[in-house]
Amino acid sequence: EAGVTQFPSHSVIEKGQTVTLRCDPISGHDNLYWYRRVMGKEIKFLLHFVKESKQDESGMPNNRFLAERTGGTYSTLKVQPAELEDSGVYFCASSPWGAGLEKLFFGSGTQLSVL
Amino acid sequence: KQEVTQIPAALSVPEGENLVLNCSFTDSAIYNLQWFRQDPGKGLTSLLLIQSSQREQTSGRLNASLDKSSGRSTLYIAASQPGDSATYLCAFSGSARQLTFGSGTQLTVLP
Repeated sequence: EAGVTQFPSHSVIEKGQTVTLRCDPISGHDNLYWYRRVMGKEIKFLLHFVKESKQDESGMPNNRFLAERTGGTYSTLKVQPAELEDSGVYFCASSPWGAGLEKLFFGSGTQLSVL
Repeated sequence: KQEVTQIPAALSVPEGENLVLNCSFTDSAIYNLQWFRQDPGKGLTSLLLIQSSQREQTSGRLNASLDKSSGRSTLYIAASQPGDSATYLCAFSGSARQLTFGSGTQLTVLP
């Protein structure tokens, strides 16, 4: 069974550009989460999808970040325009509907560098 | 607001030693506590999950404890091996299904 897959693994962009990160959850997982770890800080929650609906987006830092999950399958996280402080590792995680957090599986993350 | 602190930030031990990683939190209204492992360039792997009604969980050489009254959790690793080298993260979840992470302890087990 394939795990949570994230694309790209690394992205280097200039300040002001747009970047789109993609997450493919484990097949059949209704819950999808985005987290990020910026330099020197803890991993922070960004948002939670249940199927295609945003269940909780309280962690989204500002309106430069847009997450979508059309069709309830893969998700994208767009940063537009990117700023220097957006640099960090963006993690995606998924779990089955109704499952406990022990069933939460993380992807390897996307390392984003904004120059 | 839940704050999570992990001590030490880094730890280096010789192979075979038993070791303890510490995690403290400020809000006792937690639902679950999890310990994760992260290898370089990899995602997070859940090691142990303790529900708020439990005191500890064990898996192989790992034992995690939870003391809500003191706001502490420990991860005990017995007979450490070089393959245990990784960053260990503790995380709490409250009523919302989101995790609050500590900054992690980077463990190096020397052969």
